[in-house]
Amino acid sequence: DAGVTQSPTHLIKTRGQQVTLRCSPKSGHDTVSWYQQALGQGPQFIFQYYEEEERQRGNFPDRFSGHQFPNYSSELNVNALLLGDSALYLCASSFAGQPFYEQYFGPGTRLTVT
Amino acid sequence: AQSVAQPEDQVNVAEGNPLTVKCTYSVSGNPYLFWYVQYPNRGLQFLLKYITGDNLVKGSYGFEAEFNKSQTSFHLKKPSALVSDSALYFCAVRDRKVYNQGGKLIFGQGTELSVKP
Repeated sequence: DAGVTQSPTHLIKTRGQQVTLRCSPKSGHDTVSWYQQALGQGPQFIFQYYEEEERQRGNFPDRFSGHQFPNYSSELNVNALLLGDSALYLCASSFAGQPFYEQYFGPGTRLTVT
Repeated sequence: AQSVAQPEDQVNVAEGNPLTVKCTYSVSGNPYLFWYVQYPNRGLQFLLKYITGDNLVKGSYGFEAEFNKSQTSFHLKKPSALVSDSALYFCAVRDRKVYNQGGKLIFGQGTELSVKP
């Protein structure tokens, strides 16, 4: 049973560019959440997608946007990259129909902005 | 506002000794509480959770955690530490009142556990 997968593993971008990160949820899961983990910090919630809609959003600017596809996979897009966007981006999946569930995390995408 | 505090940046333990990683939280009402572990260059792995019931929760790899409502704490414990337990540990909380598909997890800043032989 494949867990949560993310691509790419590493990414280097220049300030001002745009980036797209991808996530496939664990089999049977239908909800995807994205987190940003800066170096030495705990993960910070970006947003969550369910039924192809953004359901909840953290304190991140509109430069951060996302999408969920009919197969439950998801993309995170970041526009106009800043140096401060350098971080590990984590995707987590869960099943909305299971009460008291935990979120399962992928290995992350390490984004470096130069 | 909801928050989680892990007061120790680092915990050092000798192999075979008991370990405790501390976590306190601030949230209105009763929360869902979680512990995750992160190994270098890896994502987070779920260890255990408290939802309701017995205040002592048992999880993966011999870890357990004690929920203390009066002290708003959820400390992670293990009776006998292993060198392989060395990793970064995160406590997280989710608001029980937010009944939706997942609700965001709010994480502490993490505690680096180092177990020496």
